[in-house]
Amino acid sequence: AQSVTQLDSQVPVFEEAPVELRCNYSSSVSVYLFWYVQYPNQGLQLLLKYLSGSTLVKGINGFEAEFNKSQTSFHLRKPSVHISDTAEYFCAVRDAGGTSYGKLTFGQGTILTVHP
Amino acid sequence: SAVISQKPSRDICQRGTSLTIQCQVDSQVTMMFWYRQQPGQSLTLIATANQGSEATYESGFVIDKFPISRPNLTFSTLTVSNMSPEDSSIYLCSVPPPGGTEAFFGQGTRLTVV
Repeated sequence: AQSVTQLDSQVPVFEEAPVELRCNYSSSVSVYLFWYVQYPNQGLQLLLKYLSGSTLVKGINGFEAEFNKSQTSFHLRKPSVHISDTAEYFCAVRDAGGTSYGKLTFGQGTILTVHP
Repeated sequence: SAVISQKPSRDICQRGTSLTIQCQVDSQVTMMFWYRQQPGQSLTLIATANQGSEATYESGFVIDKFPISRPNLTFSTLTVSNMSPEDSSIYLCSVPPPGGTEAFFGQGTRLTVV
């Protein structure tokens, strides 16, 4: 079984400032890691994913995340945020084994609010 | 990516009644997943729906409360039975892409029980 902890429930930031949303996970097996974004009254959209290989992964909308196996972390970053980035962000994990495909464990979510 | 349509998008229901939520996918998929997102909470997996077999429920969820149908490879329904205000949540349908690793989500059904 896996678990995911998002360390900040809310992150306020000014427009054009950098932001980091923190995510730690726990698992006894190899995992795949994901970040999803949920805009108000919408479903979840995949931002980026880590499967293997390079620990720095780039996603849509200028976001990137770094996988750190020793710290079991997968923090999301953006060097300069826009008002339109205001949304809730979810970190998720799944077992890298084939039997779990599509079945995700989510963190509690981080609400990013970008102020002008 | 898969296109997932959920109906209804939102509903307000009386306690004690039941609501059936539909999920339609534009491609054939082996597994479909149903999640619940309670107000201010994260997503929790309710069950996995496989075509041609009984759904597999996660701990804390039971078939009598959340019966699921999966009549074919593109469609599934989730029923929320004998509703109470605690069932007020967003219910989301999800599918993995063929050979893919992530999950795609529908827009969700926002349910309010009064």
